[in-house]
Amino acid sequence: GAGVSQSPRYKVAKRGQDVALRCDPISGHVSLFWYQQALGQGPEFLTYFQNEAQLDKSGLPSDRFFAERPEGSVSTLKIQRTQQEDSAVYLCASSFRSSPNEQFFGPGTRLTVL
Amino acid sequence: AQSVTQPDIHITVSEGASLELRCNYSYGATPYLFWYVQSPGQGLQLLLKYFSGDTLVQGIKGFEAEFKRSQSSFNLRKPSVHWSDAAEYFCAVGPIRGSTLGRLYFGRGTQLTVWP
Repeated sequence: GAGVSQSPRYKVAKRGQDVALRCDPISGHVSLFWYQQALGQGPEFLTYFQNEAQLDKSGLPSDRFFAERPEGSVSTLKIQRTQQEDSAVYLCASSFRSSPNEQFFGPGTRLTVL
Repeated sequence: AQSVTQPDIHITVSEGASLELRCNYSYGATPYLFWYVQSPGQGLQLLLKYFSGDTLVQGIKGFEAEFKRSQSSFNLRKPSVHWSDAAEYFCAVGPIRGSTLGRLYFGRGTQLTVWP
């Protein structure tokens, strides 16, 4: 595929469950980003990887959120002990190193916490 | 602090009419500027971007945007709207250097409805 893919597209979790969201970036893109988009809002930055290095995680809202990209390609965003306020669309984006601001977005994972 | 303001939450236009979506930003220096479009259930698609140079930039789908430094604005325009343009539009800014390079700041979006 030519674009960023994310899975699952939809996830329903009971409060307190752990969830894992996957992102496959565009082949050759070294930078990878996660954003959280609450209903009716614009995306908000969570974290940023360059290859396997997590360069910025200042947007992660709590220590229940954890992201990894162990081989510099696929990334996983993990949320532990989910809360209702975690309900949102989680967007992944990737970009070439040379233009980190020009990001290409995946379709997102809609997380609903009951 | 960085911020992006899209003052219009919802705009309705008739098909064939012209369109202008407003975007103002607050930033320490001239940032990179972007417009993205999001259709229901879809990710964000880049419409156009401004990095430097000509302040009038052309994008996909017939859209254009004009960067006005004095007004800290980057308004999106289209001379004739098509029904397929109905979607949500997001303005975003990103730093050109520094520790937050790569991080985009988005406005809350403008929902566009197109009447036939």
